Amino acid sequence: EVHLVESGGDLVQPGGSLRLSCAASGFNFSGSWMSWVRQAPGKGLEWVAKIKGDGSEKYYVASVKGRFSISRDNAKNSLYLQMNSLRPEDTAVYYCVFFWTGSLWGQGTLVTVSS
Amino acid sequence: DIVMTQTPLLSPVTLGQPASISCRSSQTLLHSNGDIYFNWLHQRPGQPPRLLTYNISNRFSGVPDRFSGSGAGTDFTLKINRVEAEDVGIYYCMQATQSPYTFGQGTKLEIK
Repeated sequence: EVHLVESGGDLVQPGGSLRLSCAASGFNFSGSWMSWVRQAPGKGLEWVAKIKGDGSEKYYVASVKGRFSISRDNAKNSLYLQMNSLRPEDTAVYYCVFFWTGSLWGQGTLVTVSS
Repeated sequence: DIVMTQTPLLSPVTLGQPASISCRSSQTLLHSNGDIYFNWLHQRPGQPPRLLTYNISNRFSGVPDRFSGSGAGTDFTLKINRVEAEDVGIYYCMQATQSPYTFGQGTKLEIK
């Protein structure tokens, strides 16, 4: 069974940094594209970033380019999102997602950016 | 970017009656590898989204057969045969054919 478990969410001040982690199990992690998707309180879903299985390709939504960095450690079956220069509008639940033609979602971790 | 447009945004339904949600994409979702990366998702309050259908019409494991997806080209539909109480929540369509992946605005299904 596929499991995705996020961690690392916290309350952080504007301009601060945070690193999210996602532990994956139950599928061929190293061969799979992985993504982060976020959902602001009471709002819809927004795809944030994705990374190829071997880490050689990375893509970001325009609003986080230059501030967020996606990475992975295939030896640990783990996905990461380094978030720098955080803004109040980055406040959201962040989901780790395995996309193929379908998708499987973790439970999410809450990031709150506020002074 | 591919824009995904859902209608309606609010769907009040009587228990046991059918419901239907539409989604239109601004471009074809046919990937160069021949696959179509189109999902319907369901999100209950306080829960993460969960996959209902993929590749337009394939029901995911464990999804009741009262849910069905259809469509072609740029127009897609999710139908619920007979709505049950557990079906309330927000339904999203999404595409993962082209980056950035994009989602519809969400359709809130509520019981009348």
